Amino acid sequence: GEDVEQSLFLSVREGDSSVINCTYTDSSSTYLYWYKQEPGAGLQLLTYIFSNMDMKQDQRLTVLLNKKDKHLSLRIADTQTGDSAIYFCAALDSSYKLIFGSGTRLLVRP
Amino acid sequence: EAGVTQSPTHLIKTRGQQATLRCSPISGHTSVYWYQQALGLGLQFLLWYDEGEERNRGNFPPRFSGRQFPNYSSELNVNALELEDSALYLCATVDSGEQYFGPGTRLTVT
Repeated sequence: GEDVEQSLFLSVREGDSSVINCTYTDSSSTYLYWYKQEPGAGLQLLTYIFSNMDMKQDQRLTVLLNKKDKHLSLRIADTQTGDSAIYFCAALDSSYKLIFGSGTRLLVRP
Repeated sequence: EAGVTQSPTHLIKTRGQQATLRCSPISGHTSVYWYQQALGLGLQFLLWYDEGEERNRGNFPPRFSGRQFPNYSSELNVNALELEDSALYLCATVDSGEQYFGPGTRLTVT
């Protein structure tokens, strides 16, 4: 079955760009997602990309998809302290359920 | 438009009791997914309901069950509660590939 992996922690300085990486194993995944979770809160859908796309940009967020390497990344431009949270990568598997990575904790230093 | 809602926000039960969690999808969404976010285990798929039918279930014992009502709202029932059932339970609904999550129900089993 699908397996999704992420690095556990990323620390950046306010104003810098953050890049969070994710790898997945199932090449038939049709949708790939990025979610944000703040302490004590649920999951907020940030963006998603369809598998036939290479890139998607939405304001400060840029998603890059390398299907050959099964690698997904989320770039946050001009990172702010309010961006500090856990970011989850998820892949929609062939039975239409989301498989999540373990989450990357982003810490933005002032 | 209202998002996905869940109730209760918090639920405290003792071992052996039963818990019932509720989810109301976004208007017009017919699919409801349930996920468990337990400490140290990440987000795990539990159940998927669509048009009143159970379509898929994750690797959880039968004491985790649920149903979907004609108005597409859903209940998750957990029988014979165990301490390790303590977790945040998230409900999500789907529209054209976008999975939107509710705020979750935090279940604590003592």
